Amino acid sequence: DTEVTQTPKHLVMGMTNKKSLKCEQHMGHRAMYWYKQKAKKPPELMFVYSYEKLSINESVPSRFSPECPNSSLLNLHLHALQPEDSALYLCASSQNRGSHPYEQYFGPGTRLTVT
Amino acid sequence: ELKVEQNPLFLSMQEGKNYTIYCNYSTTSDRLYWYRQDPGKSLESLFVLLSNGAVKQEGRLMASLDTKARLSTLHITAAVHDLSATYFCAVVNSNSGYALNFGKGTSLLVTP
Repeated sequence: DTEVTQTPKHLVMGMTNKKSLKCEQHMGHRAMYWYKQKAKKPPELMFVYSYEKLSINESVPSRFSPECPNSSLLNLHLHALQPEDSALYLCASSQNRGSHPYEQYFGPGTRLTVT
Repeated sequence: ELKVEQNPLFLSMQEGKNYTIYCNYSTTSDRLYWYRQDPGKSLESLFVLLSNGAVKQEGRLMASLDTKARLSTLHITAAVHDLSATYFCAVVNSNSGYALNFGKGTSLLVTP
C-alpha cells in the first residue's frame, strides 16, 4: 500500500467555524508533512512531524493546529480562518531510511474554501 | 536558505516539438524530484534523481541531474497534448525536516 489518503476532498467553511482535515498512511513512514498550495503557486511547507512529534512549524498562524495521534494519522485543526487561507492542503509522508529515503508520497489534497 | 529556480515558468509548444525545462538549486544536494500537477489535482511523482549523472526516462519525458552544476533538466520529446500540465522540481531541505523546497513550476501548454 503506497497510498496517502486525505479527507475531506472539499471543504467550505465560514470564518467562525471549526473543522479538521485528516491524513492517513499505512506505509510505516515516520515523517509526515502538511503543505499549503495557493492557486498557480508551488506547495509551501507548513508543518513536519517526525516520529509523531512536531519538528518543524514554518511560522504558521495559530488558527492552524496540527496533531499526530499516532504514526499513521495526521490531522490539521482549523479555527477562525480567513478567506486568504483558501487553498489546496496537501499531506505527505516519507521514510528516513531504506533505498529511497525522504521521497515524499502525497495525498490527493483537500480543497478548502473559507467564506 | 535553499532556493530552487525553474525556467521557463510558462511554456507553450506545438505538438511534435522538443523542449527542455531547467531547474537550478542553491545548495549541495544529491536528491531531486520532478512532479506533475494537473489543474485541481495533487502532485504526481515523475522522477526521483538520487545521484550525480542520474538520467531517467519515461515515455516522452527524460530527466537528468548534475549535482556539480546544481542543475536538473526535464526534456520533452515530440510533445503531445496530454503532457499539458504544471511541472515542479523539488529538492530535499535538510534544515526543514527533510521537507521539499519546490521551484515555482513550469506551466506547459501543448497545442496542435
